[in-house]
Amino acid sequence: QVQLQESGPGLVKPSQTLSLTCTVSGGSISSGGYYWSWIRQHPGKGLEWIGYIYYSGSTYYNPSLKSRVTISVDTSKNQFSLKLSSVTAADTAVYYCATYAVRFDPWGQGTLVTVSS
Amino acid sequence: NFMLTQPHSVSESPGKTVTISCTRSSGSIASNYVQWYQQRPGSAPTTVIYEDNQRPSGVPDRFSGSIDSSSNSASLTISGLKTEDEADYYCQSYDSSNHAFVFGTGTKVTVL
Repeated sequence: QVQLQESGPGLVKPSQTLSLTCTVSGGSISSGGYYWSWIRQHPGKGLEWIGYIYYSGSTYYNPSLKSRVTISVDTSKNQFSLKLSSVTAADTAVYYCATYAVRFDPWGQGTLVTVSS
Repeated sequence: NFMLTQPHSVSESPGKTVTISCTRSSGSIASNYVQWYQQRPGSAPTTVIYEDNQRPSGVPDRFSGSIDSSSNSASLTISGLKTEDEADYYCQSYDSSNHAFVFGTGTKVTVL
């Protein structure tokens, strides 16, 4: 079955760009009908949807983050990526990649990104 | 965007039943399916209910979901509570007008 794995730096300096990659195994990222998504969870808080890229290439972002977010896909590597610019301490969170067809399933294990100098 | 509001916490004894509500702030709860996720500490969420009332394979039938248009809310009911059900639960839906996914505020279930 499809599995997802996040990778990227665990520490990012304020004002820099957070970059994470999600590697998809057990299936093709080009498969139709899936929303390849990023979700984050601040420490001790709830889930926040960041955005997704559809298999067609269309992207949609949380309006509260839209000005700073870019999600892209690399079909040759079966990966999709998240870039979040101008980060502050408020962006410290566990970042999950997940795919959605009728539900968010599967999820990656999550990766903690800390924003600190 | 609409919001999905859940009670912050609920608690009950083993063997009892709890119901968690998820109230949509605007627009009809019936206009988009509602999913429910369970999240144990240190783990990614997993689905317990999708499309309002469907259980993924492997989820016990102690978990059930429903929607109520009169209160514009969805509900997750866990019957025959077990200590293993102690977790955070989140509802989730989709805002078609903004092409955005929305998560509920989350509910901590404690099994006393």
